[in-house]
This record gives sequence, structure tokens and C-alpha cells, in this order.
Amino acid sequence: EVQLVESGGGLVQPGGSLRLSCAASGFTVSSKYMSWVRQAPGKGLEWVSVIYSGGSTYYADSVKGRFTISRDNSKNTLYLQMNSLRDEDTAVYYCARWMIRYFDLWGRGTLVTVSS
Amino acid sequence: EIVLTQSPATLSLSPGERATLSCRASQSVSSYLAWYQQKPGQAPRLLIFDASNRATGIPARFSGSGSGTDFTLTISSLEPEDFAVYYCQQRSNWPFTFGQGTRLEIK
Repeated sequence: EVQLVESGGGLVQPGGSLRLSCAASGFTVSSKYMSWVRQAPGKGLEWVSVIYSGGSTYYADSVKGRFTISRDNSKNTLYLQMNSLRDEDTAVYYCARWMIRYFDLWGRGTLVTVSS
Repeated sequence: EIVLTQSPATLSLSPGERATLSCRASQSVSSYLAWYQQKPGQAPRLLIFDASNRATGIPARFSGSGSGTDFTLTISSLEPEDFAVYYCQQRSNWPFTFGQGTRLEIK
């Protein structure tokens, strides 16, 4: 079955760090463009980052310099390392497969709460 | 950054009625616009890509139109399962951006 399963969310204090994981099955992460998209409570969707099949990475200005997207080909898993977390980073984080023209596959999301 | 503005914020209709949702871009995105449906507690689901192409498995009652800066998602006859939040998203320029959403609720 083709699916994405996120994990790693939780409660973290402002300034803290967290690493999210997204395990893929049914396809190879390294051959696709993979993204993280987040949704603050009661709010809309915000694209966070993308990693191309060739390894290039891009970030939203709101997270640039603080978040790092990566993948482990041997584990077929996508990651998002989040450092210097702020209150406004509180959101459900989805990983999603980007098929050049659209996001066609999404995980169920993992909740990150930044609070003291 | 391209800003997408969706209207109305909330649309109250009854099953069987026609729904028309709008998405306006702050600059031209050509036809590089997609629509997604999101139900509570679920991930978004792709409905339409490149303004007017239905995704695999999407019923024919969903249609998209427009180009440049003005786009429309039309649901010809609402089914009970269509009441959800709808987002538009552009891929014309980095960063990808989404609209703020239109909530389609049962009247």
C-alpha cells in the first residue's frame, strides 16, 4: 500500500528542538520530490520545505535557517529537523509527495506544540 | 510571494445545490493552480490540478476553471460528503502558497 506515516511530534519548549519522521511505503522517497506542509490550529495550510529527488532543498522564509529537511534512503524515510522552535511553529505537520504539479499523497500528520 | 485569496470564507448550502468557490491570485499563476478538500481530522485530498484537470477518482460533479489570476471550483450538485474545507494552491512561483480556505457547510 502506498502511504506516508509521520511521527515525532510532541510538546516542546520555545527554543527547543524536535525531529519529525515520515516513513514511506509503496514507493521510493529518494525518487520523488517530498515536502512538509503544516497547519496551525484552526488555520490554513502552509508549505514548509521540499527536497528534490536530486537532493536540492528549499524552505519557507518563516523556517529558513531553523529547519532542515533530509531523507534516509536506506530507511525510505523523510525527516524534518526543527531547531529554535517558536510558539508560532505550533501546528500539525504533514509530509506530502509533490508530483511536480500537485501534492498527491499526504500522511495523517503529527502535532507539534511549542509552549512553556 | 503570491497571495491567494479565497471567497467566500464560509458558504452555506443544502445538498443538491450548486457550489461556486473562488480563488484569486495576487499575480498571474497561469494555469498552475490546484484545489484540495479537507475534512476534520484528515489530510487534504487533491481534487483538481492545473486549474481544470480532475484528479484520479474524483467525481465528475467537481470541476475547475480559470487562468491567470481568477479561478473557480464548482460542485454541480452537493452530496452530504462534500461539506468540508476547500483550499486552492499555486505552483507558479516559489514558495508554493495556499489560500486561506473556504468552509462549505450544510445550511
